[in-house]
Amino acid sequence: EAQVTQNPRYLITVTGKKLTVTCSQNMNHEYMSWYRQDPGLGLRQIYYSMNVEVTDKGDVPEGYKVSRKEKRNFPLILESPSPNQTSLYFCASSLRQARNEQFFGPGTRLTVL
Amino acid sequence: GESVGLHLPTLSVQEGDNSIINCAYSNSASDYFIWYKQESGKGPQFIIDIRSNMDKRQGQRVTVLLNKTVKHLSLQIAATQPGDSAVYFCAENTGGFKTIFGAGTRLFVKA
Repeated sequence: EAQVTQNPRYLITVTGKKLTVTCSQNMNHEYMSWYRQDPGLGLRQIYYSMNVEVTDKGDVPEGYKVSRKEKRNFPLILESPSPNQTSLYFCASSLRQARNEQFFGPGTRLTVL
Repeated sequence: GESVGLHLPTLSVQEGDNSIINCAYSNSASDYFIWYKQESGKGPQFIIDIRSNMDKRQGQRVTVLLNKTVKHLSLQIAATQPGDSAVYFCAENTGGFKTIFGAGTRLFVKA
């Protein structure tokens, strides 16, 4: 089944404890992206990647890191999480030539205490 | 700055009626406008897109209209069904691979 998977789905952590949210897609998509979703603000793009080893900042990159060492994986790293990073996070992927049609993962709900 | 917004946060329609969800945008340089549907507990799902040089595009039971003069985008859903209940987001591709989403409109379908 073609899909985008994220792990973990739920995470409660404390301020300053490094964490990684994994994202994997099995559709051979070049493009991958991370968003955060907060009430009343819709989805805001954190980082995106056009292909392996090519990443760029979205609108809200502060406090996040990403890497794209393999085509299928695009992990989101929070080196020192803070409470304002409590949010619902979505990973998405698409073909490079069909970048409008993004396939989203199920989401990761993160709470930083 | 760039923004994509919505006129109404919620919309309630009777099953079988047509729904119209509106969206305003501010970036005239965007090359594509997109609609996504998000059901409760799930990630957004692509519905339809429209290129900036078009006025109208139709899909299955959906039509997107683009009015560049007033920077307005709308999604029309024909014969709305209970399964259409969701939050609908408009989004724009501002060139390259950056996507900006609006805040969303929640659609309630009354049986």
